[in-house]
Amino acid sequence: AQKITQTQPGMFVQEKEAVTLDCTYDTSDPSYGLFWYKQPSSGEMIFLIYQGSYDQQNATEGRYSLNFQKARKSANLVISASQLGDSAMYFCAMRDQGEETEGAQKLVFGQGTRLTINP
Amino acid sequence: DTEVTQTPKHLVMGMTNKKSLKCEQHMGHRAMYWYKQKAKKPPELMFVYSYEKLSINESVPSRFSPECPNSSLLNLHLHALQPEDSALYLCASSQGTGGYEQFFGPGTRLTVL
Repeated sequence: AQKITQTQPGMFVQEKEAVTLDCTYDTSDPSYGLFWYKQPSSGEMIFLIYQGSYDQQNATEGRYSLNFQKARKSANLVISASQLGDSAMYFCAMRDQGEETEGAQKLVFGQGTRLTINP
Repeated sequence: DTEVTQTPKHLVMGMTNKKSLKCEQHMGHRAMYWYKQKAKKPPELMFVYSYEKLSINESVPSRFSPECPNSSLLNLHLHALQPEDSALYLCASSQGTGGYEQFFGPGTRLTVL
């Protein structure tokens, strides 16, 4: 079974600094997908970035990039030039290969990291 | 339209009440999901509908009853809930085959008294 581990319960970063949120995963399947979601205090889960296991390059979306190290089974999220609005809970997730039914897929989530950006 | 909407935003109900949560998307997605999230925890999957058919039920108690009237709508009917069912209920949708990311709604904060 897939497993996601986020070892940082909380992080505090100064505004404008870069921040790396750690995520390691465990799977025996050669084909998998990794996601990062942001959840502000309002509750909505916001999709940030996706990395497929066969993607040759690290995914990037604006200020977000994913540092994908396949051999180490890590998929860290890097946020450049952090902003006050980046303060939120961040979840790393993996697509569960054993649970895909006609395109619908189950996500396995890590426990999350609460990021606080200080002015 | 690239959003998932959920109503109501907040709901307070007694243990004998019957209520429903509603979720709607107009992105043409064919898979829709219900999650339950307790404070400071990750979302827990409850149900998955694929092409309007229930495809995954994560052993959810029968006091939660999902319904998918059409490809754009997803309901969660609530009956005889317990205080421990108080949580944030999130709806999500995904494209189905070929589309991987799930798009989430803002959630319904449910309090059971």
